[in-house]
Amino acid sequence: AQSVTQPDIHITVSEGASLELRCNYSYGATPYLFWYVQSPGQGLQLLLKYFSGDTLVQGIKGFEAEFKRSQSSFNLRKPSVHWSDAAEYFCAVGAGTASKLTFGTGTRLQVTL
Amino acid sequence: NAGVMQNPRHLVRRRGQEARLRCSPMKGHSHVYWYRQLPEEGLKFMVYLQKENIIDESGMPKERFSAEFPKEGPSILRIQQVVRGDSAAYFCASSPGQFNSPLHFGNGTRLTVT
Repeated sequence: AQSVTQPDIHITVSEGASLELRCNYSYGATPYLFWYVQSPGQGLQLLLKYFSGDTLVQGIKGFEAEFKRSQSSFNLRKPSVHWSDAAEYFCAVGAGTASKLTFGTGTRLQVTL
Repeated sequence: NAGVMQNPRHLVRRRGQEARLRCSPMKGHSHVYWYRQLPEEGLKFMVYLQKENIIDESGMPKERFSAEFPKEGPSILRIQQVVRGDSAAYFCASSPGQFNSPLHFGNGTRLTVT
């Protein structure tokens, strides 16, 4: 069965600083990989997805992620964080599907002004 | 806004009562998924339904939980005889059904069992 690890429970960055959120997955074949963002009291919004092809994917709100098969990683990055990016970020993997997903436990991002 | 609609947003039930959570998928979507988020945890898959059919219920607890998606009306997640451990956020998501179509999530129903 597939699994996802997000090693950082909580990260604090200053506004304007760069951001990298880590995600490692376990799955035998090429996975479907996702990053979702959840603001307090809200549902999940899709930031970006990887199915195949170019390993660097661009998403909404200036986010990008890079799929590294050799490291089983799919880290999320943003060059300059805005205060409105404060939220919880979830990495997820799908085993040949984009719908039945296994989620990580999330990374809570705090942005200081 | 034709997003995924869930109601109620908040639901309080006493132990032993029944909880009914409703979900209307996005317009044009015929596939519905229920996920549960326990405090300080990620989302866990519960069940996948199409109209009048349960496709995959491998994540549903064996007792007290049931789900349906009738021909007409919203999908319903039903929890009978709730216990404190059922307190969680329950999220519904929908998709048009293609294997590579990402999920669209609703804002969730937060169930509190007292």
